[in-house]
Formats: sequence, C-alpha cells, structure tokens
Amino acid sequence: DGGITQSPKYLFRKEGQNVTLSCEQNLNHDAMYWYRQDPGQGLRLIYYSQIVNDFQKGDIAEGYSVSREKKESFPLTVTSAQKNPTAFYLCASSSDRVTGELFFGEGSRLTVL
Amino acid sequence: AQRVTQPEKLLSVFKGAPVELKCNYSYSGSPELFWYVQYSRQRLQLLLRHISRESIKGFTADLNKGETSFHLKKPFAQEEDSAMYYCALGGATNKLIFGTGTLLAVQP
Repeated sequence: DGGITQSPKYLFRKEGQNVTLSCEQNLNHDAMYWYRQDPGQGLRLIYYSQIVNDFQKGDIAEGYSVSREKKESFPLTVTSAQKNPTAFYLCASSSDRVTGELFFGEGSRLTVL
Repeated sequence: AQRVTQPEKLLSVFKGAPVELKCNYSYSGSPELFWYVQYSRQRLQLLLRHISRESIKGFTADLNKGETSFHLKKPFAQEEDSAMYYCALGGATNKLIFGTGTLLAVQP
C-alpha cells in the first residue's frame, strides 16, 4: 500500500519531554514537509526538505528539529522548547523540486499534559 | 513574503446554489496557486491547480494577477461538496503556504 505513513496517530507527552513523530513514504518523492494544523490557523509550515541530508526552516520552526538521513524518512522532534506543542501534525511529500502536488499523511495528534 | 488569505471561516449554502470560496495572495514572484480539500475523515488532497486550468468535480478557479486572487467556484453545490477547503501558494521558494481554510457546508 503506497503512500505516506505517520506514527503514532495519538501521542501524549508530559511537559519538559521531547517527542519524535515518524513520517515514512514509499512514493520515491524527493521533497518532504511538516505542517502544524491548529483550529482557525490552517496549516503552518514547520520544516521542509527538498533532498536527502538537506532541510530548511518553515515559518514556525522554533522548538522543532528534523533530520533527513534517508529519502523515505523525515522524522520531526518536538522539543521541550516548543511553547505550545499540543496540535495536529501533518507530514507530506512531493515529487517535484518546484512545488507540485503534495501527498499528505493521516496526521499525528500530540497532546501535552 | 508569501501570504494567503481566506476571509471566510465558514460558508453555508443550500444544495443547488452557486459557491464561491475566496482566496487572495501576496507574493512578489510568479505564483503557483492550488486548492486543497479535506473531506470528513479523509486526508488532505489536491483539488486543482491554476496551471492545469481544469474543472475538477465541477469546481474551477481562475488566477487573477491584477486582483491577486484565486477564488474557487462551482455553479451548483452538492451535499458531497461539504468539506474544508484550503488555498495554497507556491513559487520559486519551493515551499507551499496554506491559508486558514474555509469550511463549506452544503445544506439539503
């Protein structure tokens, strides 16, 4: 079954803990993205990567970190420095270098207790 | 800076009525505009892009560079059109910026 797989679907974290969200794709796409979705604020770009071993900050990168060691994987770490981490996180991939169609995962909902 | 504005959080229409979801953008370069849709319990997916100039599920959108707009239109709304619609802007920066979204509710 091809596509984007995000895990876990639901995650609870205590304040002060780092947590890593997984995103894997088997579409052979070069570009991958992480967005945060909050009610009334739409999707906001956290980080994106156009190619392996390279990534750029999006509009709200503070308190987050990523890595792109393999083409198919783009994990997102929500660090304790992120002031308001409770949110729905979406991962996406694209085959085009210049922005093309994004394919989205089902999302991960993170709740900080 | 890239920015997308969707002024309506909610648009409620009756079945068979025309629909127009508004989208305005700000971008100094050559824009690429998209509409994405998220149906209930489904993944966010591409609906249409301006370079294709096609109609998908009866929806069309025309890029108006003078007004910096990319409004989504459909002449006769159907109940299955009820969903969250996002306008998105891309370009030479290689990142896609989304608006805040408009929830379309089509009443029977």
